Amino acid sequence: AQSVTQPDIHITVSEGASLELRCNYSYGATPYLFWYVQSPGQGLQLLLKYFSGDTLVQGIKGFEAEFKRSQSSFNLRKPSVHWSDAAEYFCAVGRRSGGYQKVTFGTGTKLQVIP
Amino acid sequence: SQTIHQWPATLVQPVGSPLSLECTVEGTSNPNLYWYRQAAGRGLQLLFYSVGIGQISSEVPQNLSASRPQDRQFILSSKKLLLSDSGFYLCAWGLGGGASTDTQYFGPGTRLTVL
Repeated sequence: AQSVTQPDIHITVSEGASLELRCNYSYGATPYLFWYVQSPGQGLQLLLKYFSGDTLVQGIKGFEAEFKRSQSSFNLRKPSVHWSDAAEYFCAVGRRSGGYQKVTFGTGTKLQVIP
Repeated sequence: SQTIHQWPATLVQPVGSPLSLECTVEGTSNPNLYWYRQAAGRGLQLLFYSVGIGQISSEVPQNLSASRPQDRQFILSSKKLLLSDSGFYLCAWGLGGGASTDTQYFGPGTRLTVL
Protein backbone atom coordinates (compact mmCIF):
# COMPACT_ATOMS: atom_id res chain seq x y z
CA ALA A 1 0.00 0.00 0.00
CA GLN A 2 1.16 3.52 -0.68
CA SER A 3 1.39 6.25 1.93
CA VAL A 4 2.48 9.86 2.23
CA THR A 5 3.92 11.70 5.21
CA GLN A 6 4.07 15.45 5.56
CA PRO A 7 5.95 15.89 8.82
CA ASP A 8 5.23 19.59 9.22
CA ILE A 9 1.65 20.41 10.15
CA HIS A 10 2.24 24.14 10.20
CA ILE A 11 5.06 26.34 8.89
CA THR A 12 5.55 30.09 9.22
CA VAL A 13 7.88 32.01 6.93
CA SER A 14 8.55 35.66 6.30
CA GLU A 15 7.55 37.17 3.00
CA GLY A 16 10.50 37.03 0.62
CA ALA A 17 12.12 34.12 2.42
CA SER A 18 12.69 30.75 0.83
CA LEU A 19 10.38 27.83 1.47
CA GLU A 20 10.73 24.08 1.58
CA LEU A 21 7.84 21.77 2.41
CA ARG A 22 8.73 18.20 3.13
CA CYS A 23 7.06 15.12 1.73
CA ASN A 24 8.04 11.48 2.14
CA TYR A 25 6.26 8.66 0.41
CA SER A 26 6.11 4.91 0.64
CA TYR A 27 5.50 2.93 -2.52
CA GLY A 28 7.12 -0.18 -3.94
CA ALA A 29 7.45 0.94 -7.56
CA THR A 30 8.13 4.23 -9.30
CA PRO A 31 5.45 6.54 -7.98
CA TYR A 32 3.43 9.26 -9.55
CA LEU A 33 3.86 12.28 -7.27
CA PHE A 34 1.83 15.46 -6.95
CA TRP A 35 1.67 18.67 -5.02
CA TYR A 36 -1.61 20.50 -4.62
CA VAL A 37 -2.47 23.78 -2.94
CA GLN A 38 -5.73 24.64 -1.21
CA SER A 39 -6.90 28.07 -0.11
CA PRO A 40 -9.51 28.19 2.68
CA GLY A 41 -12.90 26.97 1.53
CA GLN A 42 -11.62 26.17 -1.95
CA GLY A 43 -10.85 23.08 -3.94
CA LEU A 44 -7.37 21.75 -4.61
CA GLN A 45 -5.24 23.25 -7.34
CA LEU A 46 -2.47 21.23 -8.95
CA LEU A 47 0.94 22.87 -8.52
CA LEU A 48 3.11 20.25 -10.20
CA LYS A 49 3.50 16.55 -10.85
CA TYR A 50 6.19 13.97 -11.44
CA PHE A 51 5.70 10.88 -13.55
CA SER A 52 9.17 10.17 -14.93
CA GLY A 53 12.23 11.83 -16.43
CA ASP A 54 13.92 14.89 -14.97
CA THR A 55 13.75 14.66 -11.19
CA LEU A 56 13.48 18.43 -10.78
CA VAL A 57 9.96 19.48 -11.70
CA GLN A 58 8.81 23.02 -12.33
CA GLY A 59 5.27 24.03 -11.50
CA ILE A 60 3.00 27.01 -11.45
CA LYS A 61 3.39 30.08 -9.24
CA GLY A 62 7.18 29.69 -9.11
CA PHE A 63 7.17 26.36 -7.26
CA GLU A 64 9.45 23.44 -7.95
CA ALA A 65 9.90 20.00 -6.44
CA GLU A 66 12.68 17.44 -6.55
CA PHE A 67 12.14 13.70 -6.61
CA LYS A 68 14.79 11.84 -4.65
CA ARG A 69 14.29 8.11 -4.93
CA SER A 70 17.04 7.28 -2.43
CA GLN A 71 15.29 9.35 0.23
CA SER A 72 11.72 8.58 -0.87
CA SER A 73 11.11 12.30 -0.87
CA PHE A 74 9.41 14.88 -3.04
CA ASN A 75 9.98 18.21 -1.33
CA LEU A 76 8.37 21.39 -2.57
CA ARG A 77 10.42 24.57 -2.81
CA LYS A 78 10.05 28.22 -3.65
CA PRO A 79 12.93 30.69 -3.57
CA SER A 80 10.90 33.71 -2.44
CA VAL A 81 7.51 33.41 -0.78
CA HIS A 82 4.71 35.90 -1.42
CA TRP A 83 1.88 36.67 1.00
CA SER A 84 -0.54 35.10 -1.49
CA ASP A 85 1.20 31.74 -1.01
CA ALA A 86 -0.42 31.36 2.41
CA ALA A 87 -2.54 28.23 2.05
CA GLU A 88 -2.49 24.52 2.79
CA TYR A 89 -0.28 22.28 0.71
CA PHE A 90 -0.89 18.61 0.04
CA CYS A 91 1.58 16.07 -1.26
CA ALA A 92 0.13 12.99 -2.92
CA VAL A 93 1.30 9.70 -4.41
CA GLY A 94 -0.61 7.86 -7.09
CA ARG A 95 -0.55 4.56 -8.88
CA ARG A 96 -2.55 3.01 -11.64
CA SER A 97 -5.12 0.55 -10.35
CA GLY A 98 -7.18 -0.97 -13.07
CA GLY A 99 -8.72 1.85 -15.06
CA TYR A 100 -8.20 4.64 -12.59
CA GLN A 101 -5.56 6.51 -10.65
CA LYS A 102 -5.51 5.67 -6.95
CA VAL A 103 -4.13 8.71 -5.17
CA THR A 104 -3.18 8.87 -1.51
CA PHE A 105 -2.86 12.30 0.06
CA GLY A 106 -0.80 13.51 2.96
CA THR A 107 -2.47 15.33 5.82
CA GLY A 108 -1.25 18.69 4.58
CA THR A 109 1.04 21.51 5.68
CA LYS A 110 -0.45 24.89 6.48
CA LEU A 111 1.75 27.75 5.39
CA GLN A 112 1.55 31.10 7.14
CA VAL A 113 3.37 34.07 5.61
CA ILE A 114 4.26 37.00 7.84
CA PRO A 115 5.27 40.47 6.61
CA SER B 1 -10.31 23.70 -21.67
CA GLN B 2 -11.89 21.54 -19.02
CA THR B 3 -13.90 22.84 -16.11
CA ILE B 4 -15.52 21.10 -13.18
CA HIS B 5 -18.52 22.37 -11.27
CA GLN B 6 -19.99 21.38 -7.93
CA TRP B 7 -23.21 22.45 -6.27
CA PRO B 8 -24.34 23.49 -3.93
CA ALA B 9 -21.33 25.31 -2.51
CA THR B 10 -22.63 25.02 1.04
CA LEU B 11 -25.38 22.98 2.61
CA VAL B 12 -26.82 22.69 6.10
CA GLN B 13 -29.01 19.67 6.65
CA PRO B 14 -30.68 18.05 9.69
CA VAL B 15 -29.76 14.57 10.80
CA GLY B 16 -31.86 11.98 9.01
CA SER B 17 -32.53 14.10 5.94
CA PRO B 18 -31.54 13.04 2.41
CA LEU B 19 -28.58 14.40 0.47
CA SER B 20 -27.75 15.01 -3.14
CA LEU B 21 -24.53 16.68 -4.26
CA GLU B 22 -23.84 17.15 -7.93
CA CYS B 23 -20.64 17.36 -9.92
CA THR B 24 -20.36 18.03 -13.64
CA VAL B 25 -17.37 18.25 -15.94
CA GLU B 26 -17.13 20.18 -19.19
CA GLY B 27 -14.65 19.96 -22.04
CA THR B 28 -13.72 16.30 -21.87
CA SER B 29 -15.25 12.95 -22.68
CA ASN B 30 -15.32 9.69 -20.75
CA PRO B 31 -13.45 11.07 -17.74
CA ASN B 32 -12.75 9.16 -14.59
CA LEU B 33 -14.68 10.79 -11.76
CA TYR B 34 -13.96 10.78 -8.06
CA TRP B 35 -15.66 11.83 -4.81
CA TYR B 36 -13.48 12.70 -1.83
CA ARG B 37 -14.28 13.84 1.68
CA GLN B 38 -11.94 16.12 3.54
CA ALA B 39 -11.92 16.26 7.31
CA ALA B 40 -9.74 18.62 9.32
CA GLY B 41 -6.28 17.23 9.91
CA ARG B 42 -6.97 14.03 7.99
CA GLY B 43 -6.24 14.88 4.40
CA LEU B 44 -8.53 13.59 1.68
CA GLN B 45 -10.36 10.31 1.80
CA LEU B 46 -11.49 8.73 -1.46
CA LEU B 47 -15.15 7.75 -1.22
CA PHE B 48 -16.12 6.65 -4.74
CA TYR B 49 -14.70 6.53 -8.21
CA SER B 50 -16.22 5.88 -11.60
CA VAL B 51 -14.59 4.89 -14.89
CA GLY B 52 -17.80 5.11 -16.93
CA ILE B 53 -21.56 5.62 -16.95
CA GLY B 54 -23.20 3.43 -14.34
CA GLN B 55 -19.84 2.11 -13.10
CA ILE B 56 -19.30 3.02 -9.47
CA SER B 57 -16.75 1.65 -7.04
CA SER B 58 -16.70 2.37 -3.35
CA GLU B 59 -13.51 2.68 -1.37
CA VAL B 60 -14.97 2.65 2.12
CA PRO B 61 -18.22 1.40 3.61
CA GLN B 62 -20.40 4.27 4.67
CA ASN B 63 -23.75 5.96 4.70
CA LEU B 64 -23.28 7.43 1.23
CA SER B 65 -23.82 6.26 -2.33
CA ALA B 66 -22.84 7.58 -5.73
CA SER B 67 -24.28 7.46 -9.21
CA ARG B 68 -23.18 8.45 -12.68
CA PRO B 69 -26.27 8.88 -14.83
CA GLN B 70 -24.41 10.69 -17.64
CA ASP B 71 -20.84 10.65 -18.92
CA ARG B 72 -19.85 13.90 -17.22
CA GLN B 73 -22.17 13.91 -14.23
CA PHE B 74 -21.41 12.40 -10.83
CA ILE B 75 -23.84 12.50 -7.93
CA LEU B 76 -23.24 11.80 -4.25
CA SER B 77 -26.30 10.82 -2.24
CA SER B 78 -27.55 9.69 1.10
CA LYS B 79 -30.97 8.57 2.23
CA LYS B 80 -30.44 9.60 5.85
CA LEU B 81 -27.61 11.87 6.91
CA LEU B 82 -25.58 11.27 10.05
CA LEU B 83 -23.67 13.84 12.07
CA SER B 84 -20.47 12.14 10.96
CA ASP B 85 -21.28 12.96 7.32
CA SER B 86 -20.36 16.60 7.91
CA GLY B 87 -17.32 17.68 5.96
CA PHE B 88 -15.98 19.18 2.79
CA TYR B 89 -16.79 17.12 -0.28
CA LEU B 90 -14.63 17.37 -3.32
CA CYS B 91 -15.25 16.03 -6.79
CA ALA B 92 -12.35 15.40 -9.15
CA TRP B 93 -11.92 14.26 -12.73
CA GLY B 94 -9.07 12.56 -14.51
CA LEU B 95 -8.34 11.16 -17.94
CA GLY B 96 -10.15 7.93 -18.62
CA GLY B 97 -9.33 5.23 -21.10
CA GLY B 98 -6.49 3.83 -19.03
CA ALA B 99 -4.23 6.87 -19.47
CA SER B 100 -0.91 6.01 -17.89
CA THR B 101 -0.17 9.52 -16.67
CA ASP B 102 -3.53 10.43 -15.24
CA THR B 103 -3.84 13.54 -13.07
CA GLN B 104 -6.80 14.46 -10.93
CA TYR B 105 -8.30 17.94 -11.14
CA PHE B 106 -10.59 19.14 -8.41
CA GLY B 107 -13.80 21.08 -8.24
CA PRO B 108 -14.49 23.92 -5.80
CA GLY B 109 -16.08 21.63 -3.20
CA THR B 110 -19.26 21.53 -1.13
CA ARG B 111 -19.25 22.29 2.58
CA LEU B 112 -21.83 20.04 4.25
CA THR B 113 -22.92 20.62 7.84
CA VAL B 114 -25.24 18.11 9.44
CA LEU B 115 -27.00 19.36 12.57
